[in-house]
Amino acid sequence: EEQLLESGGGLVQPGGSLRLSCAASGFTFSSYPMSWVRQAPGKGLEWVSAITASGSGTYYADSVKGRSTVSRDNSRGTVYLQMSALRAEDTAVYYCAKIYGSGTYFPDYWGQGTLVTVSS
Amino acid sequence: EIVVTQSPATLSVSPGEGATLSCRASHSINNNLAWYQQKPGQAPRLLIYGASTRATGIPARFSGSGSGTEFTLTISSLQSEDFAVYYCQQYNVWPRAFGQGTQVEIK
Repeated sequence: EEQLLESGGGLVQPGGSLRLSCAASGFTFSSYPMSWVRQAPGKGLEWVSAITASGSGTYYADSVKGRSTVSRDNSRGTVYLQMSALRAEDTAVYYCAKIYGSGTYFPDYWGQGTLVTVSS
Repeated sequence: EIVVTQSPATLSVSPGEGATLSCRASHSINNNLAWYQQKPGQAPRLLIYGASTRATGIPARFSGSGSGTEFTLTISSLQSEDFAVYYCQQYNVWPRAFGQGTQVEIK
């Protein structure tokens, strides 16, 4: 059974940095692109970032471009989201998601999320 | 950039009745559209991809249709577990984009 477990969320001050991790199991991690999607409190879903199966290609929403870096370690079955220059509007639950397959880039399985709160 | 718009924002339905949710893209996305269901405190769940293909384990009462810019999710007879928020997402171009969601509530 596929499992995704996010970690690394918490309270961070404006302008600060944070690295989120997502540990995957139950599927061949190195064969699938991965994505991050966030959801501000009481709001809808916002696509944040994606990374190809090999890690050679990355994609970002304009709202985080230049402030975030997605990466993966296929030997560890883990995908990361490094975020810097955090703002109050980055406050959200961050979901890690497995992508259905290369060329599609829609999530077919989601983790339970980790909450990031940006506040002084 | 493609903007995805869902309507209505809220849909009030009695159990056993049907529901029709709409999703519109600002430019053609062919059939590259997915639908998700999210219940309070839970992660989203994939329902439909390719505009009309049900994901594994999704009941037949959920169906999707459309192509180009206009899409529909139909729930034929709402069960208690179907009251939730539904999102559509285009995956035709970068950046990927979700609609703002339709909440299906008990009438």
